[in-house]
Amino acid sequence: RKEVEQDPGPFNVPEGATVAFNCTYSNSASQSFFWYRQDCRKEPKLLMSVYSSGNEDGRFTAQLNRASQYISLLIRDSKLSDSATYLCVVVPTYNFNKFYFGSGTKLNVKP
Amino acid sequence: DADVTQTPRNRITKTGKRIMLECSQTKGHDRMYWYRQDPGLGLRLIYYSFDVKDINKGEISDGYSVSRQAQAKFSLSLESAIPNQTALYFCATSDSVGKVQHFGDGTRLSIL
Repeated sequence: RKEVEQDPGPFNVPEGATVAFNCTYSNSASQSFFWYRQDCRKEPKLLMSVYSSGNEDGRFTAQLNRASQYISLLIRDSKLSDSATYLCVVVPTYNFNKFYFGSGTKLNVKP
Repeated sequence: DADVTQTPRNRITKTGKRIMLECSQTKGHDRMYWYRQDPGLGLRLIYYSFDVKDINKGEISDGYSVSRQAQAKFSLSLESAIPNQTALYFCATSDSVGKVQHFGDGTRLSIL
């Protein structure tokens, strides 16, 4: 079983829509969680960390559900520039020696 | 200039050849990582290093070796390349806390 699983998409949404992605993880002892964004043929870049109580950064909201072992990313008022692949990242240990990346969810925002 | 630089950016080579991918960083970070990315599989960790001469295996280290002779440099070698090592390779760094990974631009490697 993969450490981290994501729906590959693509999610095709119009500008202004709200879209949500989920990501499930297999190790119940996982400690830290992140969302990274990867544009086509580019390197991944940190979008936001995911905190236990949930957190928001502008139009982006991240949530963690430890009981069901999933994290989510909600994007409100989608922009064309949000089109990218969103990678879920899970870190099982306190010393951050290994990051497990999901295969990514592709988002296409259409005019 | 990029903080994490990978060379070469693209490489096409033949089965059985020895290949070295280089990564250098100007961020002053202790931790460095090598990943490969394949469609549908995401990023998988090959090797990582927390300090000069510190080497640790990741998920998929077979067929690869690394060298960390200086804080700023972490090289990845394929001793005898095979076609299923065709992939996009990323180097990443992080500071001693390790929470955020900073990636290079990637090396697209094709083995024929």
